[in-house]
Amino acid sequence: RKEVEQDPGPFNVPEGATVAFNCTYSNSASQSFFWYRQDCRKEPKLLMSVYSSGNEDGRFTAQLNRASQYISLLIRDSKLSDSATYLCVVNNYGSGNTGKLIFGQGTTLQVKP
Amino acid sequence: GAVVSQHPSWVICKSGTSVKIECRSLDFQATTMFWYRQFPKQSLMLMATSNEGSKATYEQGVEKDKFLINHASLTLSTLTVTSAHPEDSSFYICSARVLRILAGPRVETQYFGPGTRLLVL
Repeated sequence: RKEVEQDPGPFNVPEGATVAFNCTYSNSASQSFFWYRQDCRKEPKLLMSVYSSGNEDGRFTAQLNRASQYISLLIRDSKLSDSATYLCVVNNYGSGNTGKLIFGQGTTLQVKP
Repeated sequence: GAVVSQHPSWVICKSGTSVKIECRSLDFQATTMFWYRQFPKQSLMLMATSNEGSKATYEQGVEKDKFLINHASLTLSTLTVTSAHPEDSSFYICSARVLRILAGPRVETQYFGPGTRLLVL
């Protein structure tokens, strides 16, 4: 079983749609959680950290459910520029693996006009 | 955010040659840098953790004699792919870790370089 699992998609949605991505992680000792965005042939860029209480940044909302080991990302009012691959990332520092980011395979989003 | 550069951005070489990739933190010091590899349509896989002034820590299955890492200063880590073969062709990405100790929990962020595309013929 992969440490971080995501549905690879692609998710094809029209502009203005709301889309949600889910992610599960296997290590219950995981400490930090992130969503990164990766554009084609580019490096990943941090989109947002995910906190236990849930957090929002503009059109993006991230939620964490530690009991279910589940992370989600909600994008409202999708823009064409949101088209990218969204990577669910877990940091297992604190369990002996300091600073080690574990990446999911990524979920591809394509927003159509 | 912090800026990390990589050089070269792409390289094409013949099988058997060695390729050196540099990763620099431009506006901050990084005691820890990481090297990742990404094959097409796959996730980033951590290859090794590079610590300034000490030996790198390699992930299981990554040959340390083939992927030489040197972190000689707080702003530079290098990855050398020795005797490269076509199966080493990949997207190599480095990152530098920034630690912020705030009033509450410590916050750790990794900033990624733009990556190096290696094609071995």
